[in-house]
Amino acid sequence: DSGVTQTPKHLITATGQRVTLRCSPRSGDLSVYWYQQSLDQGLQFLIQYYNGEERAKGNILERFSAQQFPDLHSELNLSSLELGDSALYFCASSSAGTGGYGYTFGSGTRLTVV
Amino acid sequence: GQSLEQPSEVTAVEGAIVQINCTYQTSGFYGLSWYQQHDGGAPTFLSYNALDGLEETGRFSSFLSRSDSYGYLLLQELQMKDSASYFCAVRVDSNAGNMLTFGGGTRLMVKP
Repeated sequence: DSGVTQTPKHLITATGQRVTLRCSPRSGDLSVYWYQQSLDQGLQFLIQYYNGEERAKGNILERFSAQQFPDLHSELNLSSLELGDSALYFCASSSAGTGGYGYTFGSGTRLTVV
Repeated sequence: GQSLEQPSEVTAVEGAIVQINCTYQTSGFYGLSWYQQHDGGAPTFLSYNALDGLEETGRFSSFLSRSDSYGYLLLQELQMKDSASYFCAVRVDSNAGNMLTFGGGTRLMVKP
């Protein structure tokens, strides 16, 4: 157990639907990062939050949004889902705002859009 | 923007040594990290180089040359369990924030 908790582990939903992925960072970590990994692809950065505030944005679609709550857990909302959104979604946390030294990843949410 | 290049696939035999290279083009470079990911699993942190030179952690070593925008991960005494994907990642700070940008990954297959 890495200490980063992601729920649900698996999600199957239809095109056009909306889903929410949840992440609880490792205790003490203030930064949360969301990444998308499509089949046999690298990790694409979506968005970062630090202590409740959005810190950096990557190639995140307008249909996607995220937030970090006062208890530091984060949610990634995906709406108007398309087949191409099927992927593994990872959350990672780090203790500092920079986060470059070492991320701790959760086990991911596998999203399948049918 | 940032770009990282690493081989897509490497094959080696058990007990051998393998080197996975990574070249990068970034702005505001702060360091190079390596992550291991087994099929269906989460990436796990292996090493981080902020300065030039070699960092050793057990059977794994990582090297960085900032002047060449190049680094590598060296795996010694390969074991079957080392079969996984390995990602290099650069830490980049910018006015927009800071995050890790990952390469496309190198799939390592260790054969008996």
